[in-house]
Amino acid sequence: NAGVTQTPKFRVLKTGQSMTLLCAQDMNHEYMYWYRQDPGMGLRLIHYSVGEGTTAKGEVPDGYNVSRLKKQNFLLGLESAAPSQTSVYFCASSLRETQYFGPGTRLLVL
Amino acid sequence: GENVEQHPSTLSVQEGDSAVIKCTYSDSASNYFPWYKQELGKRPQLIIDIRSNVGEKKDQRIAVTLNKTAKHFSLHITETQPEDSAVYFCAASMSDTGNQFYFGTGTSLTVIP
Repeated sequence: NAGVTQTPKFRVLKTGQSMTLLCAQDMNHEYMYWYRQDPGMGLRLIHYSVGEGTTAKGEVPDGYNVSRLKKQNFLLGLESAAPSQTSVYFCASSLRETQYFGPGTRLLVL
Repeated sequence: GENVEQHPSTLSVQEGDSAVIKCTYSDSASNYFPWYKQELGKRPQLIIDIRSNVGEKKDQRIAVTLNKTAKHFSLHITETQPEDSAVYFCAASMSDTGNQFYFGTGTSLTVIP
C-alpha cells in the first residue's frame, strides 16, 4: 500500500514549456486535490475532484488544468509554464475529511 | 470564500514548555478543523482534528480547542520536545462533501533543547 505518490519529484522547466504532474493513490479515495506551497503562504488549493470524471476549481486555478479519467489518478497540467509557477506542488486524497498528502513535486520555472 | 488566519508565524519555546498556535476563520459554515505538521522537506501530516460539535479534543500532549462563536481554534502542545520542531498548519473546511480546504499560512515552531 503506497498511499499517495507523485511523479516527478523534481523538474526544471523553461518559460513557455508544458508539463504534466501525476498523482496516484491506491486507497480507493473519492476526493483528490492539488495544492501549491509557497514560502509564507501556506497551502493553496489549485483544483480538486470529488470523483472520477469530475473536477472543480480551487483558490488559484489560473494557468493550470486537471483531469481525473481514472479514480486513482489526478493529473495536473501546465500548458505554458511561467516563473510565477515555481513552487512545491502537493497532491492529496481523502475518503472523507482526513487528507493524505503525497511527497510533493518541486518545480522550478526559469 | 473562507479566510483562515494563523498566528504567530514563528514560535520558539524551551524544551518542556508549552506552545500555543491560534487560528481564526471567517465562514460560519465551516465545521471541520484539522491541524497538520510538516517537517522540513516532508509532506504535511494530520496530527489532530476537531469538528464543530466539539469544543475540545486531546491526544496525549496535543490538544485543540474550538470557539464557534468567536470563530477561532487553537493548537496546544504541552511538554514540548525537540522532535516537535516543524511547521504547523491549521485548516478549515465544510466536511462530508469533499469541499475545499482553506489553510492558514503556517507557524514555524522551534523547540530549543
